[in-house]
Order: sequence, then structure tokens, then C-alpha cells
Amino acid sequence: GENVEQHPSTLSVQEGDSAVIKCTYSDSASNYFPWYKQELGKRPQLIIDIRSNVGEKKDQRIAVTLNKTAKHFSLHITETQPEDSAVYFCAATISGYSTLTFGKGTMLLVSP
Amino acid sequence: GAVVSQHPSRVICKSGTSVKIECRSLDFQATTMFWYRQFPKKSLMLMATSNEGSKATYEQGVEKDKFLINHASLTLSTLTVTSAHPEDSSFYICSASSGPDTQYFGPGTRLTVL
Repeated sequence: GENVEQHPSTLSVQEGDSAVIKCTYSDSASNYFPWYKQELGKRPQLIIDIRSNVGEKKDQRIAVTLNKTAKHFSLHITETQPEDSAVYFCAATISGYSTLTFGKGTMLLVSP
Repeated sequence: GAVVSQHPSRVICKSGTSVKIECRSLDFQATTMFWYRQFPKKSLMLMATSNEGSKATYEQGVEKDKFLINHASLTLSTLTVTSAHPEDSSFYICSASSGPDTQYFGPGTRLTVL
């Protein structure tokens, strides 16, 4: 089955800095990669996703890159703000299969 | 759009009792619903996948007689923790999918078994 590794487990940055979270996956058949943000005690919320037919996707301050050959994908947050502080989860799946395999999460702390 | 609710948000029960948690998709029909368990500062652990009108598919290591799942309609799935014990205390989160890939999560239910 699919295995998703996520690094780092904790990331502390100053407000305004960029943050990068990296994930690797094991199943070369996986072709859909969503990222979820979970604030303390709240539900995970989809913030961006990417499919294997593109290498990069951007939405305002967040972007995701995908390297299919290396089987890794990354979340980039620019100009971080304190409200970006949360746990971020990457996931991978085969499109249409539904079941997501999640990484262990990265706790991002943005200090003012 | 794509709102998923969960009820109750928090429940405290005595050891040996059963607890039912409801998961509803409010503005879409969910062909598939998922139940996860999340320990503090840990990732989401998939417990089971349920499709409307059919039996749930449980992940390895999850006791189907302990965690009963019913997906009676396209907008409602329930998880019943039977004969709950303190080790069942956890944060249970459901998610719903109306089509391939995208999952929308409920707000979670904090279960505490005394």
C-alpha cells in the first residue's frame, strides 16, 4: 500500500518568512496529492491540491510542487502570518480510489 | 458548499456503555464516508470506509464489532463505539466525499470514557 513520509514534524518561522513542508510517497500509481490545514481542536481543511499532470500549482501565498520522478511533493507558504500556525497534513491517493494516505503532519508555528 | 457536520461534538461516558456519533453531509450527497481516529498531536488514522447501502470496509486492526458503522443514506453515516473503555477515548473525525478524491471533514467528536 501507499506510504507517505512528511518532514519536518515541527517548523518554527518568523512572520514574513517562507515555510516549506516536504512529503514523499511510495506508490508510483498515486496521482492526487491534497494538503490539509488543521487548527487546534478543529477539522482538517483542504487548502490546495495537485494532480500528477502538473508540476506546480499556486493559490495566493501557498503553492505546491510535485516531482513525479522523485515521488515527492512540497507545500510552500510565503509571507507567513501568525494565522498560518496550524498542523499541515499532506496526503496521496490514486484518483478515483477515494482513500487518502496521510503524512504524520507538520506543526507550523509562526511567531509575530 | 461541502459542509459536513458531526454530532455530538463532545461526549463523556462511563466504561461499558455505547456511544453513537453521527456524521452528516449538509449540502451534498456523499457516496462515500470515512471515519478517522486522531490521537493528540498525531495524524489521522483511517478506521473504515463506508459506502451508502453497503457494509463498511475496515482497516487492518480495527475491530468491526467494536466500531459499528452504518451508512443508511447518502447524507448520514453513524459510528457506534460499543462497550466503550478508557482506551477508546480519542478524537473521532468523519469525512465525506461526493466524488473521487476530495474529502470534506466534519468538526470531530471528542470522546472521553471514564
